[in-house]
Order: sequence, then structure tokens, then C-alpha cells
Amino acid sequence: AQSVTQLDSQVPVFEEAPVELRCNYSSSVSVYLFWYVQYPNQGLQLLLKYLSGSTLVKGINGFEAEFNKSQTSFHLRKPSVHISDTAEYFCAVSDRPAGNMLTFGGGTRLMVKP
Amino acid sequence: DAGVTQSPTHLIKTRGQQVTLRCSPKSGHDTVSWYQQALGQGPQFIFQYYEEEERQRGNFPDRFSGHQFPNYSSELNVNALLLGDSALYLCASSFGLFPGQKGSPLHFGNGTRLTVT
Repeated sequence: AQSVTQLDSQVPVFEEAPVELRCNYSSSVSVYLFWYVQYPNQGLQLLLKYLSGSTLVKGINGFEAEFNKSQTSFHLRKPSVHISDTAEYFCAVSDRPAGNMLTFGGGTRLMVKP
Repeated sequence: DAGVTQSPTHLIKTRGQQVTLRCSPKSGHDTVSWYQQALGQGPQFIFQYYEEEERQRGNFPDRFSGHQFPNYSSELNVNALLLGDSALYLCASSFGLFPGQKGSPLHFGNGTRLTVT
């Protein structure tokens, strides 16, 4: 069975500072990887996805993530955060045969301070 | 272009009752998945519908059932409600069963907040 671990439940950071949200997964097969963002009282919005090809993936709002197969990680980064980036971030994985059946991590709350 | 729409937005039920939640997929999408998100946790996969059939199911009891209609909309039914069923129920749609090739990744609605008292 696959699992996703988001190592930090909360990450406080000052505005305009860089940030990295960590995600590790376990799976015995090839995977698809995703990062979603959830603002208060809303659903999940797709930030970026890794399906195949280049291991560095760029997404919306200036976010990027790097797939590291040997370390089974898919960390999310942004070089300079804004107050509006304050939200809950979820890493998700699916085994390729399972397609869009996602397993989510527990989430990381990014708190951007002025 | 309407995204994924869910109704109702909020619902309060009593233990033992039954509930039906509804979802209309994003335009052009034909696959609907349901997730349960307990407070402070990540979403958990309940099941997925494609061509009006349940294609994949997560680790949820038979009290949770669903249906997909010819217009691709879907319902989630929960019988014999327990206090532990209180959660945000998220519907997600996609084109096809896979995020790559000719398919699409999941697009989520804003959810239905179910409270069981």
C-alpha cells in the first residue's frame, strides 16, 4: 500500500522569504505525483503535477517541485512567498495503474507573516 | 465554464439517519470521484465512477454507496450515519481515469460539510 508523509504540519515564514514544503511517499511501482492547495472553506486547487519526463515541474503561482525517485520525495518550493500564499498544502500520489485514485498526505499549513 | 459543483454546501443530520450528497462535474469531464476529509486531515478516497459504474473503491464500509447518472453527475449516499462520518465530502471530476495521455487530473469542488449529531 502506498502512503504519503508531509514532514511538517506547519511552516511559518516571513513574506518574500523562500519556502520548501517537504513530501515523501512510499510505493512499489511507478507513480504520478501532485500538489494541491486548499484555502479556508474551499476545495482543493491543483498547483502542479508530475506525470513523466523532466523531474523539475513548474506550476501556478510561482511554485515548483522536484521529483527525486531515489529519495522518493516530491518537495514543493517557492523562491518568494506572499501573504496570499497562506493556506493548507497537500501532497498526493497515485500508482500509475490506479490512475486518478489519489492518496493524500496529512497536509502542511503554510503561514506567511508580514 | 462552470467547475465542479456540489450541493448542499452544509448539512446537519442525526445519528442513524441517511444522507445524499450531489455533484455535477466540470464541463467536458466524465469521471467522478468522492473523497472524505476529516477536520485537520488530508482527503481519503471513497470511490470513483466512470461510465455509470464504480471503478475503484477505498477502504470505506458498504454504508457508503454511490451512483453516476448518464449526464455524468453523481450522488454519494451514506446510511446509518455515525458521529465519525462528520467531515467535508469532496467531489472531484476528471476526463478519463488517468491524469496523463488524453486524460486530465482531478478538479475538486468546494465540498459539502456534513455534521452528524
